[in-house]
Amino acid sequence: KAGVTQTPRYLIKTRGQQVTLSCSPISGHRSVSWYQQTPGQGLQFLFEYFSETQRNKGNFPGRFSGRQFSNSRSEMNVSTLELGDSALYLCASSSGPNTEQFFGPGTRLTVL
Amino acid sequence: GQQLNQSPQSMFIQEGEDVSMNCTSSSIFNTWLWYKQDPGEGPVLLIALYKAGELTSNGRLTAQFGITRKDSFLNISASIPSDVGIYFCAGQLDAGGTSYGKLTFGQGTILTVHP
Repeated sequence: KAGVTQTPRYLIKTRGQQVTLSCSPISGHRSVSWYQQTPGQGLQFLFEYFSETQRNKGNFPGRFSGRQFSNSRSEMNVSTLELGDSALYLCASSSGPNTEQFFGPGTRLTVL
Repeated sequence: GQQLNQSPQSMFIQEGEDVSMNCTSSSIFNTWLWYKQDPGEGPVLLIALYKAGELTSNGRLTAQFGITRKDSFLNISASIPSDVGIYFCAGQLDAGGTSYGKLTFGQGTILTVHP
């Protein structure tokens, strides 16, 4: 069974631009969570989607948004990029509530 | 909000030695997970724990879910060079409400193994 895939793996943007990251969960998994990883803050929860509905959201500004499609694939969008948005963005999928989360390789976003 | 305190922050050991790291929390978690992350990659799940007091092994790795549900430890026996990486603990509350899909992570333990 294929693992979680994320595209693109690397991205370079400039301040003020917007970016869309994509995540394909493990086949059969309907829950997708997104995390931001930075050296200073560690791994921080962004949001979680299940059956195309956002069920939970972390403490991030409204510039961070996401969506989930009927095939469980998910995208996250960051608008009006700031230098501090440079990070590794990870998505994780799970089969249901309170089950293990499996992570993708991440998208490394650099904002110049 | 919930915070996990993971220690030690880093460890430098010789190949063949045993390693122990732990996480403590001010909050009760219902699931504890241990991950390993290599540079530039996503975390890889090592062990999942679901019951207080549970002791689970995965090869040379052993982890336990504390009785108070506020702590967990991970042991690695007979370390080898490929054990190098960053180890994270993560906790999850009961499913529902503000806990859906949310893992709270420790700060990580950087493990270096000298051949």
